[in-house]
Amino acid sequence: RKEVEQDPGPFNVPEGATVAFNCTYSNSASQSFFWYRQDCRKEPKLLMSVYSSGNEDGRFTAQLNRASQYISLLIRDSKLSDSATYLCVVKGNFNKFYFGSGTKLNVKP
Amino acid sequence: GAVVSQHPSRVICKSGTSVKIECRSLDFQATTMFWYRQFPKQSLMLMATSNEGSKATYEQGVEKDKFLINHASLTLSTLTVTSAHPEDSSFYICSARSGGAGETQYFGPGTRLLVL
Repeated sequence: RKEVEQDPGPFNVPEGATVAFNCTYSNSASQSFFWYRQDCRKEPKLLMSVYSSGNEDGRFTAQLNRASQYISLLIRDSKLSDSATYLCVVKGNFNKFYFGSGTKLNVKP
Repeated sequence: GAVVSQHPSRVICKSGTSVKIECRSLDFQATTMFWYRQFPKQSLMLMATSNEGSKATYEQGVEKDKFLINHASLTLSTLTVTSAHPEDSSFYICSARSGGAGETQYFGPGTRLLVL
């Protein structure tokens, strides 16, 4: 079983739509969680960390559900510029970071 | 956010040659740097964890004699792909962890390697 699993998508949504991604992780002892964004042929860039209490940054909301071992990312009022691949990252044992395979989002006009 | 640079950004080489990729943290000291490889339409795969002043820790299946890692200072780690072959062609990305309580990884812009 993979450490981190994501639906690869693609999610095709119109501008202005609300879209949500989930990511599940296998190690219940994981302590740190992140969402990264990766544009085509570019390096990943940190979008936001995910705290136990959840956190919000503008149109982006991240939540953590420890009981079910998943994290989510909600994007409201989607923009064309939100089109990218969103990577779920979990910090596991021995300070290793595990990446999901990414969820591709296409926001269309 | 913190800045990490990689050099070169793109390299094309003949099969059998060695290629060195540099990863630098420009505005912070990175005790740990990570090296990843990403094939098209796949996720990043951790190759090794590089700790300053000590030997790198390689992931299972990654040949340490083929992918030589040196982390000589708190701002520089290098990855050398020795005797490169076409199957080594990939996107190589480094990342560095910020110090103190930070756990965030900051990624370099990546190096595209094409082995002919």
